[in-house]
Amino acid sequence: GAGVSQSPSNKVTEKGKDVELRCDPISGHTALYWYRQSLGQGLEFLIYFQGNSAPDKSGLPSDRFSAERTGGSVSTLTIQRTQQEDSAVYLCASSLAEGLASGNTIYFGEGSWLTVV
Amino acid sequence: SQQGEEDPQALSIQEGENATMNCSYKTSINNLQWYRQNSGRGLVHLILIRSNEREKHSGRLRVTLDTSKKSSSLLITASRAADTASYFCATDAYSGAGSYQLTFGKGTKLSVIP
Repeated sequence: GAGVSQSPSNKVTEKGKDVELRCDPISGHTALYWYRQSLGQGLEFLIYFQGNSAPDKSGLPSDRFSAERTGGSVSTLTIQRTQQEDSAVYLCASSLAEGLASGNTIYFGEGSWLTVV
Repeated sequence: SQQGEEDPQALSIQEGENATMNCSYKTSINNLQWYRQNSGRGLVHLILIRSNEREKHSGRLRVTLDTSKKSSSLLITASRAADTASYFCATDAYSGAGSYQLTFGKGTKLSVIP
């Protein structure tokens, strides 16, 4: 596609329910990132996928959070037993290969705004 | 933890004036990037400056990097109302789990008054 696509744009869920957020990266981008942004805050790294390598999960805040990437393309971020503190914008991004150290630009989607009530 | 910290947190200027935002970081970097975010949605990449560069220009944007002070500045010249947005600096930092991650500051909220 032309850009990183995320769905849903907005999600309101009840506390305790599970949610799935989807990211479709730019075609040809092998690196995929998930970030979380709470209101008025900077971006918090969650997880990183690079090709067929094991994902870097070092940013996931708890075992309620998981993510997978099927076929090296689409990724799904799952939050189980949601809590009110999970309310945030969840941003997905993609880049070419090993993006950062070599200076490749990361392209962000518009984000999924999650509200847990 | 936050790698980059922007300063000021908020900035309000008149259209036509220049806007300067600063960013400080803690650890050594390969490159530093500035992003813009409208209304809390997706970020748009503005400019990247590598650790061996001191200054870079792109249109009305000028970025400087001082690795000895671990700081960078973003200057927007001749500001326009459409420049109103939040601006973030991001640096690559080793996550400790085999990859480099962009770590972001909390951003500077710029308001340009017509």
